[in-house]
Amino acid sequence: SQTIHQWPATLVQPVGSPLSLECTVEGTSNPNLYWYRQAAGRGLQLLFYSVGIGQISSEVPQNLSASRPQDRQFILSSKKLLLSDSGFYLCAWSGLLGGIIPEAFFGQGTRLTVV
Amino acid sequence: AQSVTQLDSHVSVSEGTPVLLRCNYSSSYSPSLFWYVQHPNKGLQLLLKYTSAATLVKGINGFEAEFKKSETSFHLTKPSAHMSDAAEYFCVVSDYGGSQGNLIFGKGTKLSVKP
Repeated sequence: SQTIHQWPATLVQPVGSPLSLECTVEGTSNPNLYWYRQAAGRGLQLLFYSVGIGQISSEVPQNLSASRPQDRQFILSSKKLLLSDSGFYLCAWSGLLGGIIPEAFFGQGTRLTVV
Repeated sequence: AQSVTQLDSHVSVSEGTPVLLRCNYSSSYSPSLFWYVQHPNKGLQLLLKYTSAATLVKGINGFEAEFKKSETSFHLTKPSAHMSDAAEYFCVVSDYGGSQGNLIFGKGTKLSVKP
């Protein structure tokens, strides 16, 4: 069965420190992978999506970057965190179940507080 | 182009009365549709999904949704609201195409339940 792992669940980081959030999926190959952010009181904002290894599309210019070093691994990074980077970060994947039916799964999310 | 429209940003109901959260979608393909719930400071929980099987889908906690292709709608309903249903609800579309991979979130509907 398909599963998605995202960690850590919560994170408190000082301003100016680096960030690395990791997401891995199991039970599927060549998934589309996504990073979303939800700021306090706001909806989900698409940050990055990837349709394959090394293929990253950025939706919103910002202090963050994403990488996909392996088919089932998606990493969200920052070299220097800003206070405005605080929020709830969600990893997701979508693909075709059985090669036919579109399916989607979501990680549990990471609540990042930059202090 | 793909799109998801949640017609109400905020819905308020009294406990014990019916709930209706509206979602309309646009897709060039045969989509799968999902409803997720997010309680305050929590991750996303899948309520139900439609993936080309029965058009009336029953989910957890007494929720159900009906896929109506002619109306391009996937509205979420519950016969009797409970206080614990107060949360934010997201309608999500997954299909074969689109510029943002193939996973589109609605902006969310915040459900308030009055005693």
